[in-house]
Amino acid sequence: DQQVKQNSPSLSVQEGRISILNCDYTNSMFDYFLWYKKYPAEGPTFLISISSIKDKNEDGRFTVFLNKSAKHLSLHIVPSQPGDSAVYFCAASATNAGNMLTFGGGTRLMVKP
Amino acid sequence: DVKVTQSSRYLVKRTGEKVFLECVQDMDHENMFWYRQDPGLGLRLIYFSYDVKMKEKGDIPEGYSVSREKKERFSLILESASTNQTSMYLCASSPTRGTRFFGSGTQLSVL
Repeated sequence: DQQVKQNSPSLSVQEGRISILNCDYTNSMFDYFLWYKKYPAEGPTFLISISSIKDKNEDGRFTVFLNKSAKHLSLHIVPSQPGDSAVYFCAASATNAGNMLTFGGGTRLMVKP
Repeated sequence: DVKVTQSSRYLVKRTGEKVFLECVQDMDHENMFWYRQDPGLGLRLIYFSYDVKMKEKGDIPEGYSVSREKKERFSLILESASTNQTSMYLCASSPTRGTRFFGSGTQLSVL
């Protein structure tokens, strides 16, 4: 059973609009969450993270929101740009699990010019 | 910048062949990982290593083994390749909790 789920395999957004990528988790021990971005033929690259002591973390056009009670996090990209078109993976870890990350299945974002 | 280098971008092998995937990192990271990426399944951990000559099974170790003789190098071995091992293989290294630096991946096709 997947502990981290990204229920939307793909998302299409117009350039300049907001992109919202969602991620749900089931393990209440997860306390650190990350988003990775992956272009074709490249490895994933770290984008942004959030600790469970926060409910929001912002870095430029990227903001991650965490709702612990709902076990839900989301990545907002504003404004979306064509260069943001990629596969986005959310990942989660628990302090008692050392350096282990559990990844979601990914969401392919397409930003149309 | 951290660099994680995977020796091959594309590989085509036949069923039953022994396959070696090599990974080298240049940042003196203690931790190294091998994942496979399949559509809809995300990244699944095959094996990881916290130190030289140390290895631990991940979520899907069956059919794979690893070797870490030097700190900078982590090899994934498919003893007898099968068609269900056709996948994108990603190597990563990490100095601390959570932060992974990934290689560009090796797309392996087993025919």
